[in-house]
Amino acid sequence: DAGVTQSPTHLIKTRGQQVTLRCSPISGHKSVSWYQQVLGQGPQFIFQYYEKEERGRGNFPDRFSARQFPNYSSELNVNALLLGDSALYLCASSSGGDQPQHFGDGTRLSIL
Amino acid sequence: AQSVTQPDIHITVSEGASLELRCNYSYGATPYLFWYVQSPGQGLQLLLKYFSGDTLVQGIKGFEAEFKRSQSSFNLRKPSVHWSDAAEYFCAVGVGAAGNKLTFGGGTRVLVKP
Repeated sequence: DAGVTQSPTHLIKTRGQQVTLRCSPISGHKSVSWYQQVLGQGPQFIFQYYEKEERGRGNFPDRFSARQFPNYSSELNVNALLLGDSALYLCASSSGGDQPQHFGDGTRLSIL
Repeated sequence: AQSVTQPDIHITVSEGASLELRCNYSYGATPYLFWYVQSPGQGLQLLLKYFSGDTLVQGIKGFEAEFKRSQSSFNLRKPSVHWSDAAEYFCAVGVGAAGNKLTFGGGTRVLVKP
């Protein structure tokens, strides 16, 4: 079975631009979460979606938004990019209940 | 708010030696606890998890962890490391529905000497 897939793998943007990152969860998983991992740090929680509804939001500005589609895939949008948004963005999915999250390989976003 | 501390930023260990990575957490209730491993340029792979029950948890790749409520700790151990264990290790506490909102520690980078 395919794991969590994220696209693109790498992305280069300039300050002020907007970006959309995509995530396809493991088949059968209805929960998707997004994390930001700045170089040298642990990942930080951004959003969780379950059954297309937002179930949690981390301490990130309103420039960050996300949504989940009927097929449970998800997009993370970041507007007005700042240099500090440069990071590895990780998507994780789970089937709910007591099942743990499984992570994709991430999208490396670089802001010039 | 919950938090996770991994006191050791780097650990160097010889191949075949034992390994212990420390993790301390702060959370008001019984936590969901996890250890993940990350190889360079890749995502996170789950090593093991603790939800309830037996406080000694077995994971993949020969790792185990012990939950000690009195010390708010969840240390990871491996009796004999292999060169392929060189990676960054993250401890996390999960809150919210089924612990799906993870708070991670800063990570411990493990280097393995031949």
